[in-house]
Amino acid sequence: DAGVIQSPRHEVTEMGQEVTLRCKPISGHNSLFWYRQTMMRGLELLIYFNNNVPIDDSGMPEDRFSAKMPNASFSTLKIQPSEPRDSAVYFCASRDPSSRGYTFGSGTRLTVV
Amino acid sequence: GQNIDQPTEMTATEGAIVQINCTYQTSGFNGLFWYQQHAGEAPTFLSYNVLDGLEEKGRFSSFLSRSKGYSYLLLKELQMKDSASYLCAVRPLYGGATNKLIFGTGTLLAVQP
Repeated sequence: DAGVIQSPRHEVTEMGQEVTLRCKPISGHNSLFWYRQTMMRGLELLIYFNNNVPIDDSGMPEDRFSAKMPNASFSTLKIQPSEPRDSAVYFCASRDPSSRGYTFGSGTRLTVV
Repeated sequence: GQNIDQPTEMTATEGAIVQINCTYQTSGFNGLFWYQQHAGEAPTFLSYNVLDGLEEKGRFSSFLSRSKGYSYLLLKELQMKDSASYLCAVRPLYGGATNKLIFGTGTLLAVQP
């Protein structure tokens, strides 16, 4: 099992540019989560999907953020336009309802300059 | 709302025992998780408690008291590789949305020789 796969690992972009982060959950996991981690705020849940349907997006900070899950094996988190305060590590996680733990990907370190 | 508190930093000596506390206030309760996160890496699942009492897994144990909104993670026979951030996370239970995992800001543990 390859685990949760995120791309890119690192992204440096200029303010105002569009950023797209990608995630492939573990096969068979029907829940997918997007988190953002910063030193100040820790791990914050942005949005999560059950069976490809967005369930709770209350953590999405602004309309500049959007997330999609077109099928069970792929999700994107898009920031348009990006701002320096969006700089953080973005994690994707997935879960199988029969298991206890949530499995995290390696994260995407985003720097907006 | 949700509130999860844990100490920011702790220091312990190699070979010793350390206890990391976590208190929480959430809208309903459907389980408490502990995760370990080494610098620059993804969080990895350590333990899960949903009923009161102690869960033991090797050198790591986790305790839960639901009436007190309290948990601790106990690490025995500390090793240098245990130096990491330890994250307490709670799964609330409300409105049928039971899949959400809310994290505390983490406790950075430094193990010294």
